[in-house]
Amino acid sequence: QVQLQESGPRLVKPSQTLSLTCTVSGGSFRYDPYYWTWIRQPAGKGLEWIGRIQTSGNTNYSPSLKSRVTMSVDTSKNQFSLKLTSVTAADTAVYYCARGNELYFDLWGQGTLVTVSS
Amino acid sequence: QSALTQEASVSGTVGQKVTLSCAGTRNNIGSYAVGWYQQISHGAPKTVMFGDSPPSGIPDRFSGSKSGTTAFLTISGLQPEDEADYYCSTWDYSLSADTFSAQVFGGGTKLTVL
Repeated sequence: QVQLQESGPRLVKPSQTLSLTCTVSGGSFRYDPYYWTWIRQPAGKGLEWIGRIQTSGNTNYSPSLKSRVTMSVDTSKNQFSLKLTSVTAADTAVYYCARGNELYFDLWGQGTLVTVSS
Repeated sequence: QSALTQEASVSGTVGQKVTLSCAGTRNNIGSYAVGWYQQISHGAPKTVMFGDSPPSGIPDRFSGSKSGTTAFLTISGLQPEDEADYYCSTWDYSLSADTFSAQVFGGGTKLTVL
């Protein structure tokens, strides 16, 4: 059974870089034809798509975050990662990783709360 | 402002049939199938519908459909455990040099079971 688990610092200072990793267990990550996605949700608000990556390295990013986002994949560790630069309080949110195809997400991680504060 | 428009709230009684809607444009719902995601008490979202096909393990009281640029999630025989926030999502395709194709979400519908 495939599972996704987010990890990374829970507290980030303003202007610094938020870094999260999603570890995929129970599947054949290297060969899976999926899109590996990051989604976030500020407290009391809806879901926001950040971007996605394939194990080939092909990426798509949200237009509103594109200038600050970088995603990468490490097939040797069954992981994909998110870096978001120059963070502000507006980037405080629960961050989810998810698996999907071009249109849907079929598996979600449990989410991790990242707070931007000095 | 979300790219897809959902009702802010919908309510129904146990056993009732309720339909949630998700309105978009020809560049998103008009061109692609829609996913529906259930979020109970701010926990991790759970996928309840891929277009008109539910994932394995989703009760058959859940069904999905689409008409033009609007998608629908129908729950026939509402149960107390269906109380949750529901989000729709699909791909939005843009050929414009000034915008980019991206995954878009609705703002979410809070479903209350009375």
